[in-house]
Amino acid sequence: GAGVSQSPSNKVTEKGKDVELRCDPISGHTALYWYRQRLGQGLEFLIYFQGNSAPDKSGLPSDRFSAERTGESVSTLTIQRTQQEDSAVYLCASSPPANEQFFGPGTRLTVL
Amino acid sequence: AQKITQTQPGMFVQEKEAVTLDCTYDTSDPSYGLFWYKQPSSGEMIFLIYQGSYDQQNATEGRYSLNFQKARKSANLVISASQLGDSAMYFCAMREIIRTGANSKLTFGKGITLSVRP
Repeated sequence: GAGVSQSPSNKVTEKGKDVELRCDPISGHTALYWYRQRLGQGLEFLIYFQGNSAPDKSGLPSDRFSAERTGESVSTLTIQRTQQEDSAVYLCASSPPANEQFFGPGTRLTVL
Repeated sequence: AQKITQTQPGMFVQEKEAVTLDCTYDTSDPSYGLFWYKQPSSGEMIFLIYQGSYDQQNATEGRYSLNFQKARKSANLVISASQLGDSAMYFCAMREIIRTGANSKLTFGKGITLSVRP
């Protein structure tokens, strides 16, 4: 079956613009996660959705970052008024209950 | 709070030899899971192996095994019979296990670069 997909694969934007990143999880996976990976670094947790429960937003670095997910389907991560420090690869993952997380290919965001 | 430490600089290993990648962790959670992921230059994150904190035996998956020493809070990855395709970044990660069947976020280390020499 299809894995986790993300779009766009690359995004170049100007400082101050808003961007939307999309994640399509594996069908049937109840949990969806967003992580950020700066160049040469490990992954930083951003936000986690589990079914219809309130999302865990504890990793969002500022109020410029937000994410939505409808049910157990697609999620969008929105970054408003982008800054150069937002440049990174944004990775989405999904998982069934109590299992390893399956990662998408990521969206490489470059803020000029 | 959870913390994963991976302090080795770039690692080199000769093809067909074994290599150990170090990982230490810190947590106050009574129950947790430990993971290793591989990230080749293509950028994808590939799950390798999982160890639960209450598992009695060390996890093994093909050429990968996890040397879990709970008292030392270490979870080293051992790759046997290295192959050229093993050249990649390797990340150790952990998550709290709140209850059976529950999900939670992963906390990652900074990663280790492994280069396999022919």
